[in-house]
Amino acid sequence: KAGVTQTPRYLIKTRGQQVTLSCSPISGHRSVSWYQQTPGQGLQFLFEYFSETQRNKGNFPGRFSGRQFSNSRSEMNVSTLELGDSALYLCASSHRWGHSNQPQHFGDGTRLSIL
Amino acid sequence: AQKVTQAQTEISVVEKEDVTLDCVYETRDTTYYLFWYKQPPSGELVFLIRRNSFDEQNEISGRYSWNFQKSTSSFNFTITASQVVDSAVYFCALSGLTSGTYKYIFGTGTRLKVLA
Repeated sequence: KAGVTQTPRYLIKTRGQQVTLSCSPISGHRSVSWYQQTPGQGLQFLFEYFSETQRNKGNFPGRFSGRQFSNSRSEMNVSTLELGDSALYLCASSHRWGHSNQPQHFGDGTRLSIL
Repeated sequence: AQKVTQAQTEISVVEKEDVTLDCVYETRDTTYYLFWYKQPPSGELVFLIRRNSFDEQNEISGRYSWNFQKSTSSFNFTITASQVVDSAVYFCALSGLTSGTYKYIFGTGTRLKVLA
């Protein structure tokens, strides 16, 4: 069974630009969550999608947005990039939304660097 | 509010030593779930174990063992006879029902270095 696939693995952008990251969940998983990981803040929840609808949202500004397609693949978009957006962005999938008691299966992440 | 505290930022041990990673949590929920994940240098978090709030039995899986104590709100993780391959960042996480839905809260992680 293929794992969670995130593309690209590495990305370099400049301030003010926008970026789109992609995540393909494990086959059969319908929930996709996104996390931002930085050395200072650790792992922070961005949002969760299930059946093409955002079900859960963390405390991030509106510059961070996402969507999910009918095949459960998800994209995350960050507009007007700031230096502080440099981070490892992790995607995780699970069977059901809301996490509940389900372990999450993570991808390798996309490392975004803002110059 | 929910919170997960991993007070140990980094631990270094010599191979074959036992090591315990601490996790203390806060929650007002009566039903919640606790998890441990391992993040090797490659970046991908790997699920290790989950425990629900009604099951305080300790668990052992090979060299790994977990001690869940509700009385002290702790869910500690012990690696026996550590190996170099155990070197990674380990995260403790809490999933509890907040405002009608479950949310995952991760601790800040403990970096374990096992030296040969």
